[in-house]
Amino acid sequence: GAVVSQHPSWVICKSGTSVKIECRSLDFQATTMFWYRQFPKQSLMLMATSNEGSKATYEQGVEKDKFLINHASLTLSTLTVTSAHPEDSSFYICSAGHGYGYTFGSGTRLTVV
Amino acid sequence: QKEVEQDPGPLSVPEGAIVSLNCTYSNSAFQYFMWYRQYSRKGPELLMYTYSSGNKEDGRFTAQVDKSSKYISLFIRDSQPSDSATYLCAMYQGAQKLVFGQGTRLTINP
Repeated sequence: GAVVSQHPSWVICKSGTSVKIECRSLDFQATTMFWYRQFPKQSLMLMATSNEGSKATYEQGVEKDKFLINHASLTLSTLTVTSAHPEDSSFYICSAGHGYGYTFGSGTRLTVV
Repeated sequence: QKEVEQDPGPLSVPEGAIVSLNCTYSNSAFQYFMWYRQYSRKGPELLMYTYSSGNKEDGRFTAQVDKSSKYISLFIRDSQPSDSATYLCAMYQGAQKLVFGQGTRLTINP
């Protein structure tokens, strides 16, 4: 139980375009989901907390206009990287909380060329 | 001072050895403690979830929490090459966001 599905697992896009990443809780409802960014050989950095039916809460230093988060249902949150640039290339991971901790998606590797 | 401290390693041990991974923390309000395993280019996988002090065992894995010392451990018995990964400790209080350790890179040598 407590499965989180993240899609796509990897994506390559051209500089200036936008990319949408989906995070779904498959067998439980998640009123709150979290989006992380991870650089090579580093721990996870929390970007924002996604709240179902309301605006996301962004961590200090994260551009909310660049990283758009939508949590329209209890099982789906999306992260859209707008006008992507090479420095946005990274590993993005979502997670959702439940009664036994937090489960993570498998991550999305974004490469902006 | 970071809220959660974890030695990043790398740690390399022979197959079959007992592995000990540790984290210390400074926030006495943390109530829930987790260990995650992360393979390269994958999301973290929840290994152990504990609440309050004590031991919890699941197969070859044992998690220990000592709240008086603000110290948590993960032991891996009969380690296997497939256990080679980065291990992250994480903790939180109430319904708050997770706080992670830096992660320890572990290699089990056949």
